[in-house]
Amino acid sequence: DIVMTQSPDSLAVSLGERATFNCKSSQSVLYSSNNKNYLAWYQQKPGQPPKLLIYWASTRESGVPDRFSGSGSGTDFTLTISRLQAEDVAVYYCQQYYTIPRTFGQGTKVEIK
Amino acid sequence: EVQLWESGGGLVHPGGSLRLSCAASGFTFSNYAMSWVRQAPGKGLEWVSGISGGGHNTYYADSVKGRFTISRDNSKNTLYLQMSSLRAEDTAVYYCAKDDYCTIGSCYSGFWGQGTLVPVSS
Repeated sequence: DIVMTQSPDSLAVSLGERATFNCKSSQSVLYSSNNKNYLAWYQQKPGQPPKLLIYWASTRESGVPDRFSGSGSGTDFTLTISRLQAEDVAVYYCQQYYTIPRTFGQGTKVEIK
Repeated sequence: EVQLWESGGGLVHPGGSLRLSCAASGFTFSNYAMSWVRQAPGKGLEWVSGISGGGHNTYYADSVKGRFTISRDNSKNTLYLQMSSLRAEDTAVYYCAKDDYCTIGSCYSGFWGQGTLVPVSS
């Protein structure tokens, strides 16, 4: 199984500041034939189901604010919130869909400083 | 508007069985693979099982293989998860999810239901 490791486990950021957190896979999730990274990011607010933010490592899901951006390739990925808003308080999970079983990182909890 | 509504959760004793259902609306159900993903209390996400749009291909996590069975009824727009030989470690909120893209059973999920809680305890 591909192990997904996120860092840090938690992060406190001031409103309007940038939040950056990372996801590392135990093997590459870049498919060479189409040059796509099989990596998604989800946001889970307290008491709610996960919500898809990013797929293909950097493609924003429809309706997701453009302050959210994903980057990276191969085994190292980053999710950035450019200007943190109060409604962004949540746990963020990365997930690979390169191979079965799909696996998730342990999550990064984002709070307001 | 896409909607997924899980039902069937509830307290079950170790060794017992339970069937979860997920009613779907707002999209052409048979065109999409579907999955079950669970979340133990205070923990992260764990994929449990997936099924292709036509229902011919099914996939399971090793932790549930041989105990859980995923199925779907496309005429009723409903996804199921039959769970048997339940263990305390199966205690979780079970989410059904609409899979927007899959690579031989490994998918990302574009929409999730609200989840149903399955506590396994004596």
